[in-house]
Amino acid sequence: EIVMTQSPATLSVSLGERATLSCRASQSISSDLAWYQQKPGQAPRLLIYRASIRATGIPARFSGSGSGTEFTLTISSLQSEDFAIYYCQQYSIWPPYTFGGGTKVEIK
Amino acid sequence: QLQLQESGPGLVKPSETLSLTCTVSRGSLSGGTDYWGWIRQAPGQGLEWIGTIYYDGTAYHAASLKGRLTMSIDRSKNQFSLKLTSVTVADTAVYYCARNENWFDSWGQGTLVTVSS
Repeated sequence: EIVMTQSPATLSVSLGERATLSCRASQSISSDLAWYQQKPGQAPRLLIYRASIRATGIPARFSGSGSGTEFTLTISSLQSEDFAIYYCQQYSIWPPYTFGGGTKVEIK
Repeated sequence: QLQLQESGPGLVKPSETLSLTCTVSRGSLSGGTDYWGWIRQAPGQGLEWIGTIYYDGTAYHAASLKGRLTMSIDRSKNQFSLKLTSVTVADTAVYYCARNENWFDSWGQGTLVTVSS
């Protein structure tokens, strides 16, 4: 099973600042990685797939990069609606699909 | 836009069976070649994939649930379902259904299932 590790667990950021979230895979997953955003009481929302492709309707301030074992989600200028928990998920080798433990982006 | 909706009991007793159905609307299971998945989230915890079913009924399960989990699909009703037997308090979670394109691109709103006597 591929283990996904996200860091940091919590990221404190001011409005308008840049946020950089990391996700590491326990073995190479090529670019088979997705990112999700989850707000309290809501289902996760797909942001990024294939490591860097924005899903339909996702603002350009969200960008993904990386391949192999190291991945990054960048939010270029945080808006109030971006404070949430972010999860990465690998789909390179499944079953099982595996998710990271999440990074909570909170207001500084 | 595809919509998914989970339905089923919100309370299940320990050792009994948890049954949930996901109804797909504004889209179709019939004739499609998509995969459909179930993900759960225990209170205050992260996301856990529990299973995926293909349109032809082929199913894949999380190893931790094998032997307890059964999934099915009814393309005529645009529904897919799960049954989890012998539940314990550890199965208490919000259960989500989603379209599974490797990534999960459309999600239901989720349904909280509490296992308690």
